[in-house]
Amino acid sequence: EPEVTQTPSHQVTQMGQEVILRCVPISNHLYFYWYRQILGQKVEFLVSFYNNEISEKSEIFDDQFSVERPDGSNFTLKIRSTKLEDSAMYFCASSDRDTTYGYTFGSGTRLTVV
Amino acid sequence: GESVGLHLPTLSVQEGDNSIINCAYSNSASDYFIWYKQESGKGPQFIIDIRSNMDKRQGQRVTVLLNKTVKHLSLQIAATQPGDSAVYFCAENPSSGYSTLTFGKGTMLLVSP
Repeated sequence: EPEVTQTPSHQVTQMGQEVILRCVPISNHLYFYWYRQILGQKVEFLVSFYNNEISEKSEIFDDQFSVERPDGSNFTLKIRSTKLEDSAMYFCASSDRDTTYGYTFGSGTRLTVV
Repeated sequence: GESVGLHLPTLSVQEGDNSIINCAYSNSASDYFIWYKQESGKGPQFIIDIRSNMDKRQGQRVTVLLNKTVKHLSLQIAATQPGDSAVYFCAENPSSGYSTLTFGKGTMLLVSP
């Protein structure tokens, strides 16, 4: 079964540093998403991406966040200057259509900011 | 604000029992709902979905019920197995035409052999 792959599985970074979280969506999918889950809390939407541009973003997705599809297979989330409160699981998801049908999530990257 | 929430944070059952996990939602405009299962260290895994024009939908060992009158969603798991132990989230599509999801906080299901 096709999978969404995320790397690394765990990233530890110092406060103020930049991090890039990487995702390889399912190959024929065109819609990409990032969600995050702070420990013990619910999964929260960050951003959706289609046709090389952001479709929607939440209020969490402020200027320190950016997304990019640098090539035909990767989808990245960059946090420019990490804060302690950015510590969370970050999930990438992809879909082959512009609805919530067919969403496939990756296993996540655990980001720990120290 | 609008939210999706769960009544029970932890549900403990015996293997073979039927499990019911509940979820309340407050956005009456939501037209699509999904139940996800999340095992430790993994991402949310789709279980079953339902559109707002339906009251009930059945899958393999799982049934989702939607009561729009009281804005309540439930997930029923028949003959619960130890492998069903996980956190279960309900999620809604809060704005028709957009593809984002609003998740509830989650219920931990613990199945004892």
